[in-house]
Amino acid sequence: AIRMTQSPSSFSASTGDRVTITCRASQGISSYLAWYQQKPGKAPKLLIYAASTLQSGVPSRFSGSGSGTDFTLTISCLQSEDFATYYCQQYYSYPPTFGQGTRLEIK
Amino acid sequence: QVQLQQSGPGLVKPSQTLSLTCAISGDSVSSNSAAWNWIRQSPSRGLEWLGRTYYRSKWYNDYAVSVKSRITINPDTSKNQFSLQLNSVTPEDTAVYYCARGTLRIAVAGSFNWFDPWGQGTLVTVSS
Repeated sequence: AIRMTQSPSSFSASTGDRVTITCRASQGISSYLAWYQQKPGKAPKLLIYAASTLQSGVPSRFSGSGSGTDFTLTISCLQSEDFATYYCQQYYSYPPTFGQGTRLEIK
Repeated sequence: QVQLQQSGPGLVKPSQTLSLTCAISGDSVSSNSAAWNWIRQSPSRGLEWLGRTYYRSKWYNDYAVSVKSRITINPDTSKNQFSLQLNSVTPEDTAVYYCARGTLRIAVAGSFNWFDPWGQGTLVTVSS
């Protein structure tokens, strides 16, 4: 199975900050990568697919980039509702696998 | 707008069978463009895809190697829902279980895509 590694595992930021989360695949996955946001007690919510395509209804302050093995999720101007845990997921090959998550906390 | 509503018990005894159901609204379990998945989440294993069922002229199932000998995912076309059965559970199967809609890449048999939407989640505890 393809292993997905996110960094950092957690970090603190302030409202208005620009933040970047990294996801690395153990082998090349082209652009077959999705990003999710999860808040406590809730299901993951799709933010981005195909590495950089914003899901309908997701604010434009979220963006994704990368291909091959290295990917990033950027939030351009943090809002209070963005403090959550973020996961990447590869769907290049069976089985689909997820990163371990990056917890974004308020500084 | 597709919505998934999960149901099933939150407590299962060791060695017994975990059974959950996911009711679909806004789409069909027999859709030729969707796949219906079960995913679980636990502190020790993170998010783990368990398996799926989908219809492409006939019914297909794919399962994760880690649970392949114990899992069954079935569609129920009469109720527009699908179910998860996991046999011989142990405390390691304690997790939040989610159903989720996925798709397949066009013309790529057996492929995967992202998951959207997800059910609300069911915490299943395996304990005597």
